[in-house]
Amino acid sequence: DGGITQSPKYLFRKEGQNVTLSCEQNLNHDAMYWYRQDPGQGLRLIYYSQIVNDFQKGDIAEGYSVSREKKESFPLTVTSAQKNPTAFYLCASSKWVAGYNEQFFGPGTRLTVL
Amino acid sequence: KNEVEQSPQNLTAQEGEFITINCSYSVGISALHWLQQHPGGGIVSLFMLSSGKKKHGRLIATINIQEKHSSLHITASHPRDSAVYICAAMYSGGGADGLTFGKGTHLIIQP
Repeated sequence: DGGITQSPKYLFRKEGQNVTLSCEQNLNHDAMYWYRQDPGQGLRLIYYSQIVNDFQKGDIAEGYSVSREKKESFPLTVTSAQKNPTAFYLCASSKWVAGYNEQFFGPGTRLTVL
Repeated sequence: KNEVEQSPQNLTAQEGEFITINCSYSVGISALHWLQQHPGGGIVSLFMLSSGKKKHGRLIATINIQEKHSSLHITASHPRDSAVYICAAMYSGGGADGLTFGKGTHLIIQP
C-alpha cells in the first residue's frame, strides 16, 4: 500500500536537545511538507520541498531544519533554538491533479519537550 | 494575509441529524480542501474542489466562488463521523508551498 509514514507516533525529549522526526513516502510524489498543529490553531507550514536537494522555508521555520537527500524522505529536526517545540507535527506529500495540488497527510508525531 | 475562517468551532448533534460546516476565505484561491482529522491525529483528505459540488457517500461539499464560501454537509450523521473537520485553501500563485488552514470544527455526534 502506498502512503506516508511518520515515526515515532509519540516522542518525548528534554529541553535543550535536538530531535529528528522521520517522514517517508512511497507515493512517488515530488513535493513534501512539514506542518505544525497547536491546540485551537490551524496547521502552519514549517518547511516544504518541491524536489530532491531543494527546500524552502514556510511561515514558521525558525528553530527547525530539514533535508531532502532522497525523494522518499523529508526528515525534520527540531533544534534547541525552537522556543516552544511541544506540538503535533504532520508531514504531507503532494501531486498535481488536473492543475491542482492535492496533498496527502501522514499520521503525525506528537512531540513533548519536558 | 490570506485567511480561512470556519464555523462553528464546536458542534454537537444527535445521530441522524443533517450537519453543515462553513468555511469562508479571501479572494484568489485555486482550490479548496476539506480534511478530516480523527482523535489519533491523522488527517484524511475528503474533497478537493474549485467549483460547484462534490458528493461522496453521505458527505457533500459545495463551493460558491462569488461569495468566497464553502460548506461541508453530512447527511444521516453517525457517531463515527465524530472528528475535527478542517477547511484549507490553496491560494493562486501559491504553487507548491502549501495550504492555508482553518482552525477546524470539532464535531461530536451523539448516539
